[in-house]
Amino acid sequence: SQKIEQNSEALNIQEGKTATLTCNYTNYSPAYLQWYRQDPGRGPVFLLLIRENEKEKRKERLKVTFDTTLKQSLFHITASQPADSATYLCALERRRSGNTPLVFGKGTRLSVIA
Amino acid sequence: EPEVTQTPSHQVTQMGQEVILRCVPISNHLYFYWYRQILGQKVEFLVSFYNNEISEKSEIFDDQFSVERPDGSNFTLKIRSTKLEDSAMYFCASRTADQETQYFGPGTRLLVL
Repeated sequence: SQKIEQNSEALNIQEGKTATLTCNYTNYSPAYLQWYRQDPGRGPVFLLLIRENEKEKRKERLKVTFDTTLKQSLFHITASQPADSATYLCALERRRSGNTPLVFGKGTRLSVIA
Repeated sequence: EPEVTQTPSHQVTQMGQEVILRCVPISNHLYFYWYRQILGQKVEFLVSFYNNEISEKSEIFDDQFSVERPDGSNFTLKIRSTKLEDSAMYFCASRTADQETQYFGPGTRLLVL
């Protein structure tokens, strides 16, 4: 069956360190994968998208990698700050074309401790 | 920056009642979606909509659910006869025709008593 798994429900790190979150999927061949941030009681906010033919994408302190052989994406936040504390969601599309919905992982709740 | 908006932010209703959740997608977006998130669980797809018709729906989206784009700006989700298990956050999302990124609204928290 198709699955998206994010490695841990919760991750605590010290301010200034790099947070690394993992997203693994099985039985999908996504054309792209996205990462969203969700704060409690709020909607997901788009952060980064990476396509199947891209290995790495960066945006300010954020970096995403995508390994279609391992079926894994890693999401890094460098120089983490308490304001980065949130739940981070991995999402991929189910098909390659048309008006396709996103399939989400359950998320990893990141806490950055000052 | 344009945003997806949703009303109401909270809705409490009695089991068996009808509810309509409203969304205003970003103005130049053409694809629209409803998702829901039961407390503590993952975001789940309900339905996608394009060109005034449903493109795809999940098994959650049964006969009790319907969607409509009654005018050029609103996109609504109706639940005809609510059940306790419909209690969740409901998110509307939209995107343009040429970008993959979906932009989400702040959500409507629905509580069915």
